[in-house]
Amino acid sequence: DAGVIQSPRHEVTEMGQEVTLRCKPISGHDYLFWYRQTMMRGLELLIYFNNNVPIDDSGMPEDRFSAKMPNASFSTLKIQPSEPRDSAVYFCASSLAAGQGSGELFFGEGSRLTVL
Amino acid sequence: AQSVAQPEDQVNVAEGNPLTVKCTYSVSGNPYLFWYVQYPNRGLQFLLKYITGDNLVKGSYGFEAEFNKSQTSFHLKKPSALVSDSALYFCAVRDRGVGGNNRLAFGKGNQVVVIP
Repeated sequence: DAGVIQSPRHEVTEMGQEVTLRCKPISGHDYLFWYRQTMMRGLELLIYFNNNVPIDDSGMPEDRFSAKMPNASFSTLKIQPSEPRDSAVYFCASSLAAGQGSGELFFGEGSRLTVL
Repeated sequence: AQSVAQPEDQVNVAEGNPLTVKCTYSVSGNPYLFWYVQYPNRGLQFLLKYITGDNLVKGSYGFEAEFNKSQTSFHLKKPSALVSDSALYFCAVRDRGVGGNNRLAFGKGNQVVVIP
């Protein structure tokens, strides 16, 4: 399996621009998670999906952030408009359902976002 | 609510010496426990997990961890550290008693520095 695939790996944009991050989970995984990692705040869970349905979005920092999962093999995280404080590494992860395993997450390599 | 504490910010160890990274957890039921490693500019990689059974769990790269229910701990260990083990290590827990919840609680991470 190719693992969790994220794109782009690096994104540099200017404040006010729209940013879209993409994720392809491991085939057959029921859960998809979006995390953000910064030096100051560490690893933060933003939102997660089960069978393409958002389950908990309480970690989404504000309305500028939105996430979708139109099908089992694709998810997007969108920031509009972007701000410098959004600069971080954004990780996507996927896992099997709780009843099918112990729920370990498999992470992508991350998308490093820099907002100037 | 489930939570993880990794009390040390950084662990320094000389190459060839034993390495220990500490983790304590809190869950309402019985835990699934995990260790992940993150190398610079990479995603988190799964190292090992405790589900049930033997309290000593062996994982990748010569790492092992010991589950201690009475102390609610799951410390990561390696008998002889390598310079290449220098990385950020995350402990995570999931409460297996929470049906259908795949959400992991991550610790803040520990930076391990192995000194040549």
